[in-house]
Amino acid sequence: DIQMTQSPSSLSASVGDRVTITCRASQSISSYLNWYQQKPGKAPKFVIYAASSLQSGVPSRFSGSGSGTDFTLTISSLQPEDFATYYCQQSYRTPYTFGQGTKLEIK
Amino acid sequence: EVALVQSGPETKRSGESLRISCQTSGYIFSNYWIAWVRQVPGKGLEWMGVVYPDDSHTRYSPAFQGRVTVSADKFMKTAYLQWDSLEASDTAIYFCARRGVRADPDTGRYFQIGLDYWGQGTLVSVSS
Repeated sequence: DIQMTQSPSSLSASVGDRVTITCRASQSISSYLNWYQQKPGKAPKFVIYAASSLQSGVPSRFSGSGSGTDFTLTISSLQPEDFATYYCQQSYRTPYTFGQGTKLEIK
Repeated sequence: EVALVQSGPETKRSGESLRISCQTSGYIFSNYWIAWVRQVPGKGLEWMGVVYPDDSHTRYSPAFQGRVTVSADKFMKTAYLQWDSLEASDTAIYFCARRGVRADPDTGRYFQIGLDYWGQGTLVSVSS
């Protein structure tokens, strides 16, 4: 299986901050990388696919980058509704594994 | 509008069987893979397996292979996740999700993306 490792595991930030979450794959996955946002008690929400393409309806303050093994999710100016847990997922080879998650909390 | 609606919470005992469902609407069910994802309360997401409704082709994570069965009824537009013998460690929330497709604007070819629509989740509680 391809292992996905996110860092940090948790992050405290304030409204208006710029934050970056990192995801590393245990082998090259080209650009087959997705990001999801999950709030407590809710299903995950699809945010980014193909490493850098924004899913329809997702605010432009979200962006993704990377290829190969190293990827980032950046939120340019945090809004109150952005505080959640974020997961990366590779869709290069089954099983399409997820990272362990990064919990973004209000400082 | 695309929607995936899952069956309600279940409380079972170890050794019992169970099938939960994911009823879809708003798109051509046969043409999109459906994935199942597990989430133990307070923990992360685990990809379990997928089914392609048109031909019922399946793929499983080795961690779940042999423990669960994923299937789909394209006439009912419904996907299923089934256990023959539950264990207490199966206690979790189970999500179904559709794997989306996009067209490359340059080539016109379609390619698979991530899980773009999700069900609300089904809580399965198993006591020993």
